[in-house]
Amino acid sequence: EPEVTQTPSHQVTQMGQEVILRCVPISNHLYFYWYRQILGQKVEFLVSFYNNEISEKSEIFDDQFSVERPDGSNFTLKIRSTKLEDSAMYFCASSERGEAFFGQGTRLTVV
Amino acid sequence: AQSVTQPDIHITVSEGASLELRCNYSYGATPYLFWYVQSPGQGLQLLLKYFSGDTLVQGIKGFEAEFKRSQSSFNLRKPSVHWSDAAEYFCALSGGYQKVTFGTGTKLQVIP
Repeated sequence: EPEVTQTPSHQVTQMGQEVILRCVPISNHLYFYWYRQILGQKVEFLVSFYNNEISEKSEIFDDQFSVERPDGSNFTLKIRSTKLEDSAMYFCASSERGEAFFGQGTRLTVV
Repeated sequence: AQSVTQPDIHITVSEGASLELRCNYSYGATPYLFWYVQSPGQGLQLLLKYFSGDTLVQGIKGFEAEFKRSQSSFNLRKPSVHWSDAAEYFCALSGGYQKVTFGTGTKLQVIP
């Protein structure tokens, strides 16, 4: 069964460093999303992406965040200068016909 | 604005007992509704979904949920809980290709 793949599964970075989280959506899907889950909290929407541009973003998705689809398969989330409060599980999702399929997540730890 | 409310933060049930997790939503039309389960440190596993049609939907692991438009609810049920069902459960909705909005989750503890 097709699935959304995220790499790495766990990343540790120093505060102030840039990180790029990578996702390979399901191949025929056209809508892509990033979500964040701080430990012990609910899953929060960050951004949606369609037709090579952001279609919606939340208040969390400030200038420190950016998304890109650099080629036909990858979808990335970049955090320019990480803060301690960016430590969270980040989930990528892609959708077709209204159902979102989630990846297994990247656990980002900022130290 | 769309929202999902899970009024129970934590529920404890005995193994073999029945389970019902509550979910209420707010949305301007009929939403797509989902239940996900998450074990500690793990990803989200889809248990079941409702798009349209029969209001009682069956999912994996013996779970079912019933969509009640009049009550704006989508409660999750299981007739007999197993110890392996201990996890956190999230109700969620979307308006199609829009973002998925999650509830705050209900942690399920199963006691022998």
